[in-house]
Amino acid sequence: EAGVAQSPRYKIIEKRQSVAFWCNPISGHATLYWYQQILGQGPKLLIQFQNNGVVDDSQLPKDRFSAERLKGVDSTLKIQPAKLEDSAVYLCASSPQGLGGNTIYFGEGSWLTVV
Amino acid sequence: AQSVTQLGSHVSVSEGALVLLRCNYSSSVPPYLFWYVQYPNQGLQLLLKYTTGATLVKGINGFEAEFKKSETSFHLTKPSAHMSDAAEYFCAVRDVAAGNKLTFGGGTRVLVKP
Repeated sequence: EAGVAQSPRYKIIEKRQSVAFWCNPISGHATLYWYQQILGQGPKLLIQFQNNGVVDDSQLPKDRFSAERLKGVDSTLKIQPAKLEDSAVYLCASSPQGLGGNTIYFGEGSWLTVV
Repeated sequence: AQSVTQLGSHVSVSEGALVLLRCNYSSSVPPYLFWYVQYPNQGLQLLLKYTTGATLVKGINGFEAEFKKSETSFHLTKPSAHMSDAAEYFCAVRDVAAGNKLTFGGGTRVLVKP
């Protein structure tokens, strides 16, 4: 079974530029998550989708971050304009719909450096 | 709101020694609890999880964890450390009352000395 796919793996941009990350979840998984992991810290949830609807985006900096999940499958996370403090790993994850005990599976992450 | 506290951001153990990583959580309802491992430049991999039933949970690579409701703890152990256990470990809690949101602790980096 294919895992969660993310691209690009690495990106270096200058501050005030824009960047987009793409995620393809495990087939059939209704729930998709984007986490931000700053070096030395635990992952922080940015946004959670259930199919193509947003369940939780309370920690998404909406003035610069946006995310969409068209057709309830793939998702894109965009940052515009980027700030130095956005340097982090952006982790996409997915899980089956339903019980809270279901495992959440993570992709390998997209590493962003803002200079 | 749920929260997760991992005691010690770094732990150093000798090869063959016991590995003990501490995790305490706060949740308004009985939670689902997880331990993930992250190797350098990789994503998170599930080690083990507690949902219901037996409070001692066994995972991959010889790790196990015990859910203690009275102590709100979910400590991770491995009897004998191996060099390949060097990684960062994250405890996480999933609260059904909070929309199944998965909240992570700050992580503990394990160094294994030969």
